Amino acid sequence: GEDVEQSLFLSVREGDSSVINCTYTDSSSTYLYWYKQEPGAGLQLLTYIFSNMDMKQDQRLTVLLNKKDKHLSLRIADTQTGDSAIYFCAETYASGGSYIPTFGRGTSLIVHP
Amino acid sequence: DTGVSQNPRHKITKRGQNVTFRCDPISEHNRLYWYRQTLGQGPEFLTYFQNEAQLEKSRLLSDRFSAERPKGSFSTLEIQRTEQGDSAMYLCASSPQIMNTEAFFGQGTRLTVV
Repeated sequence: GEDVEQSLFLSVREGDSSVINCTYTDSSSTYLYWYKQEPGAGLQLLTYIFSNMDMKQDQRLTVLLNKKDKHLSLRIADTQTGDSAIYFCAETYASGGSYIPTFGRGTSLIVHP
Repeated sequence: DTGVSQNPRHKITKRGQNVTFRCDPISEHNRLYWYRQTLGQGPEFLTYFQNEAQLEKSRLLSDRFSAERPKGSFSTLEIQRTEQGDSAMYLCASSPQIMNTEAFFGQGTRLTVV
């Protein structure tokens, strides 16, 4: 089966780094994703990582993947108040040749001045 | 084409009524997904279409739920005999038929059953 676990809340001071962690269960996942959801809005893809990579950097975002431990993290450097949102980790499972994203419960990131 | 479009954005209905939601995916996206999201939870997968074929259905999709994508473009999700427990945000997403690309989400339809 598929299961994605995340801590529910993270509070950081503006300008600090945020690290959001995620564990997943499906070892066959080929892509893992981070989505951001602001209040009342849909999900916006932030970044993704292919399973044969250990790290991916994209401006202020750094994704680390430990495939052995099935652990994924998202680091946001120089966190801003505009980064306050819910962040979802997602893995994909294969079904009939296609790939279906499965989401965690989300981590609420609160950035305070 | 500006993205995945869902209508209506909000729907309030009385328990026992039927409701139908519409999703217009990004043009030429073959894959279409429906998810349900309740407060404090992540999106839960409901069903998946590849073109007009419904290839996967979650156990969450009870007999009261039905989804269609008749021409492989827009999709509808119908809930019959709504219950209070159906109150949630219903999200639609689409992706192109390329190996394992990200899903692009619409803004969702918020359903409130009173």
